[in-house]
Amino acid sequence: AQTVTQSQPEMSVQEAETVTLSCTYDTSESDYYLFWYKQPPSRQMILVIRQEAYKQQNATENRFSVNFQKAAKSFSLKISDSQLGDAAMYFCAYQFTSGTYKYIFGTGTRLKVLA
Amino acid sequence: KAGVTQTPRYLIKTRGQQVTLSCSPISGHRSVSWYQQTPGQGLQFLFEYFSETQRNKGNFPGRFSGRQFSNSRSEMNVSTLELGDSALYLCASSLTGFGTDTQYFGPGTRLTVL
Repeated sequence: AQTVTQSQPEMSVQEAETVTLSCTYDTSESDYYLFWYKQPPSRQMILVIRQEAYKQQNATENRFSVNFQKAAKSFSLKISDSQLGDAAMYFCAYQFTSGTYKYIFGTGTRLKVLA
Repeated sequence: KAGVTQTPRYLIKTRGQQVTLSCSPISGHRSVSWYQQTPGQGLQFLFEYFSETQRNKGNFPGRFSGRQFSNSRSEMNVSTLELGDSALYLCASSLTGFGTDTQYFGPGTRLTVL
């Protein structure tokens, strides 16, 4: 069965510094999508970044980038120049591309940004 | 464009009761997914509807059911509530439900079962 593991329940980063959140997953599929979602306190969850498994190039969105290691089944999120507004729960998610399209989420990493 | 809306935002029920939660997707979105979020388990997929048909289902008991209307609005029903059903229930909508489409989440309905 497909699983998504986020081994860091909580992390802290100093404002303007860089932080990396880890995510590993297990699947026998060759084609799938991976996502990082951000859930700020008492606010709606939003998509941070998306990676298609068939693409070798790592996705980037402004200060957010991923390190996608398909063979190692690793999908980490790097946040550069951290800002106070980055404080949130971050969820890693996997989506099947064949047959069903359901998502599997990790348990989340709470990121604190220190001023 | 209005975002995903969920009603009610908060609910308090007692064990054994049933509850219906509502989700209005972004206009034009045909896929609606439901998730249960708890502190220990994270987000767990309940089911997904597309064009009034349940296309995918997670590993939840039959007490959890849903439906989608012709205007893509969706409802989720939980019967015979248990204490463990206390959670934040999130719905998300997208154009097709495929990974190339962005899922937009609603604010959630906080259900407390006493």
